Amino acid sequence: GQNIDQPTEMTATEGAIVQINCTYQTSGFNGLFWYQQHAGEAPTFLSYNVLDGLEEKGRFSSFLSRSKGYSYLLLKELQMKDSASYLCAVIKAAGNKLTFGGGTRVLVKP
Amino acid sequence: KAGVTQTPRYLIKTRGQQVTLSCSPISGHRSVSWYQQTPGQGLQFLFEYFSETQRNKGNFPGRFSGRQFSNSRSEMNVSTLELGDSALYLCASSLVPGNQPQHFGDGTRLSIL
Repeated sequence: GQNIDQPTEMTATEGAIVQINCTYQTSGFNGLFWYQQHAGEAPTFLSYNVLDGLEEKGRFSSFLSRSKGYSYLLLKELQMKDSASYLCAVIKAAGNKLTFGGGTRVLVKP
Repeated sequence: KAGVTQTPRYLIKTRGQQVTLSCSPISGHRSVSWYQQTPGQGLQFLFEYFSETQRNKGNFPGRFSGRQFSNSRSEMNVSTLELGDSALYLCASSLVPGNQPQHFGDGTRLSIL
């Protein structure tokens, strides 16, 4: 099976930085995705990591260490609209199945 | 271009009934996956289709089934509905299976009374 763990909730202040960690245990790892989901809406794709290192996309960056089974999503210059759930998901080599963590709800305060 | 379209958006059924949900992928996307989202279990994989073939199935009972048509549109069916089937059902599409971002539709919210 697969275990994917991420914190349940985080609170941060507008303009600050927040780092959401995700740890996973899986065989046949073939990549890790991050999605953002606002309440009542569909998850939207943020980033994909398959090789070790940091991928930067504007205010959002995602890091992967395959040897440690660890990833993080970094949100910089937080805005109120960043209040949402952030989902970490792992894909294996065979197929298209995403296995999701429970999601981290981020609350941005003024 | 249009995103993933799911119909209906909301559905209310009673126990024992059956339901069919529809998903139209992004134009050109040939892989479709279905997920169930509940507050207690989070997002769980149901099944995936590519070229009209089910390639993978999650740990759900046989009451949950699906299919994909030649135009890549997909349907999922749930028979003999139970209260625990109340959930948001999400469909996601990608160009092909594998290391491709999956793009989600807005989902169908199914409530069982």
